Amino acid sequence: DTAVSQTPKYLVTQMGNDKSIKCEQNLGHDTMYWYKQDSKKFLKIMFSYNNKELIINETVPNRFSPKSPDKAHLNLHINSLELGDSAVYFCASSQDGQGNYGYTFGSGTRLTVV
Amino acid sequence: SQKIEQNSEALNIQEGKTATLTCNYTNYSPAYLQWYRQDPGRGPVFLLLIRENEKEKRKERLKVTFDTTLKQSLFHITASQPADSATYLCALGGRRGKFQFGAGTQVVVTP
Repeated sequence: DTAVSQTPKYLVTQMGNDKSIKCEQNLGHDTMYWYKQDSKKFLKIMFSYNNKELIINETVPNRFSPKSPDKAHLNLHINSLELGDSAVYFCASSQDGQGNYGYTFGSGTRLTVV
Repeated sequence: SQKIEQNSEALNIQEGKTATLTCNYTNYSPAYLQWYRQDPGRGPVFLLLIRENEKEKRKERLKVTFDTTLKQSLFHITASQPADSATYLCALGGRRGKFQFGAGTQVVVTP
């Protein structure tokens, strides 16, 4: 019973392509997030959604567009991929949107742009 | 700018000893501080949360302290075991629920 599942786990693609990463949570949480972990291992928040509504939108290139069809799903679409987009992308969810119970993370999607 | 510092050098410790990790921060007044464990190729796993008005929190062999004057949190693993080997991340959050993560400290427990 995977709580937060994201697909694919690995994604290798060429510069300029458009790709999507999907995320689903079966925890009944209202809030979902996308984080980026760079080569220095810093986890940086990109977006958060609460019940399909965008709450946090950090300084992220507008080539990145999140989409939440329902509160259990938060997908990430990336246009015109660049070499610098290579990183591990984590989806997460939280029970209350305030972090009182911590975040539940997916296992990550390793994106490599060549 | 807000900064979170965790020791970038791996902490090598013998089984049975107590591992102590530090999380220092500047230009920040967090309402909450969380600690996570991350294994290679996996997502972080939530361990503990401590609030700004709490000095100490415990969970099994884990203990977290939070000193808002020193702007520091200490994370202790007592009676460490090889299975505790992982990277441990601290994350600081404000009241809007947005958390900022440190880069983590790797712990290696040898038998």
